Amino acid sequence: DTAVSQTPKYLVTQMGNDKSIKCEQNLGHDTMYWYKQDSKKFLKIMFSYNNKELIINETVPNRFSPKSPDKAHLNLHINSLELGDSAVYFCASSQGGLDYEQYFGPGTRLTVT
Amino acid sequence: QQQVKQSPQSLIVQKGGISIINCAYENTAFDYFPWYQQFPGKGPALLIAIRPDVSEKKEGRFTISFNKSAKQFSLHIMDSQPGDSATYFCAASMDDYQLIWGAGTKLIIKP
Repeated sequence: DTAVSQTPKYLVTQMGNDKSIKCEQNLGHDTMYWYKQDSKKFLKIMFSYNNKELIINETVPNRFSPKSPDKAHLNLHINSLELGDSAVYFCASSQGGLDYEQYFGPGTRLTVT
Repeated sequence: QQQVKQSPQSLIVQKGGISIINCAYENTAFDYFPWYQQFPGKGPALLIAIRPDVSEKKEGRFTISFNKSAKQFSLHIMDSQPGDSATYFCAASMDDYQLIWGAGTKLIIKP
């Protein structure tokens, strides 16, 4: 039983295209996140949703738009892809309250050519 | 003030040795300090975490040492094994939602 799942695992696309990454968690958590991990392994928070409401929106280009259709899903749509968007994108979730632990998905490796 | 500084960037330890990774923070409002472990091709996973009311927490071969006055905390891996080779991240938080992450340490355990 996968706790946090992402699709696709790999995504290769050309500059200028629009793509989406899907994330689902079956942990019953209230909060979900999107992270970007660059080639140097640095983890950068992009967005966070709590009960479908956006609570963290870091400095991210407008080309990136998160969408949370329900508490268990948080999708990431990227418009007009650029070379610099190439990275591994991780979805995560947490229960909140006194339990701060974040559970990460397996990641989506995005390569823009 | 929101930063968490992690060192070293990379570390090579012989099998059976002790691996030590250090982190420092500025914001005294932080009240939760986790360490995450990430294997290649996988997402990070919580390894061990500590709150500032204790100075040390041990789980198996992994120990967090916490120095509140110095605003530093460290991860010690005793009897390091090749299977411990991974990237380790420290982090800090003061609310339910956001972790402030260190830059990561790539640990290699040589057999």
